[in-house]
Amino acid sequence: NAGVTQTPKFRVLKTGQSMTLLCAQDMNHEYMYWYRQDPGMGLRLIHYSVGEGTTAKGEVPDGYNVSRLKKQNFLLGLESAAPSQTSVYFCASTGVGARDTQYFGPGTRLTVL
Amino acid sequence: EDKVVQSPLSLVVHEGDTVTLNCSYEVTNFRSLLWYKQEKKAPTFLFMLTSSGIEKKSGRLSSILDKKELFSILNITATQTGDSAIYLCAGVSGGSYIPTFGRGTSLIVHP
Repeated sequence: NAGVTQTPKFRVLKTGQSMTLLCAQDMNHEYMYWYRQDPGMGLRLIHYSVGEGTTAKGEVPDGYNVSRLKKQNFLLGLESAAPSQTSVYFCASTGVGARDTQYFGPGTRLTVL
Repeated sequence: EDKVVQSPLSLVVHEGDTVTLNCSYEVTNFRSLLWYKQEKKAPTFLFMLTSSGIEKKSGRLSSILDKKELFSILNITATQTGDSAIYLCAGVSGGSYIPTFGRGTSLIVHP
């Protein structure tokens, strides 16, 4: 049981490049979330999903897109990366029976030059 | 718009000290208050509080919720260097089940 995993762990992009971050969970959780964390800013919600095939915007969605084609996977895409998107990205998931408690992945550190 | 404010933003203490971290919240249709510990990696769950006045305890850590005054505190007694971390508080709305996180309190415990 791996819990929540994220790929890649680190990435450096140039401005304008695109990339996709992959989040996978093996706990059969319905709900999945993408956050970004910047120094002194806590966790800010980018997008979330309440089930396979559904997505919704969070607090800071601009510049990001997401997809949830399979229940266990939640993808975060950056179409044209900007330096302001340099951050640490965390994925999280929760189950129907315990919707309050989020299980977090290890994070992806992204630098955009 | 839901809001969670933590104080202080940073704290430096020596081993053995007792610390109190504060979290105030304004959350629509409030459901629960969560505390997480983050040590240079993913946040790990500490406590979930839903009822006023009932203390949750785990070893040297304890937390309590006041739903009338809309705040929670996290106490750490006899601090150790391993308690050094960022402590995050989040309020969960019952409507959306989306947590709103505070900015966190950075705790440094010196030997």
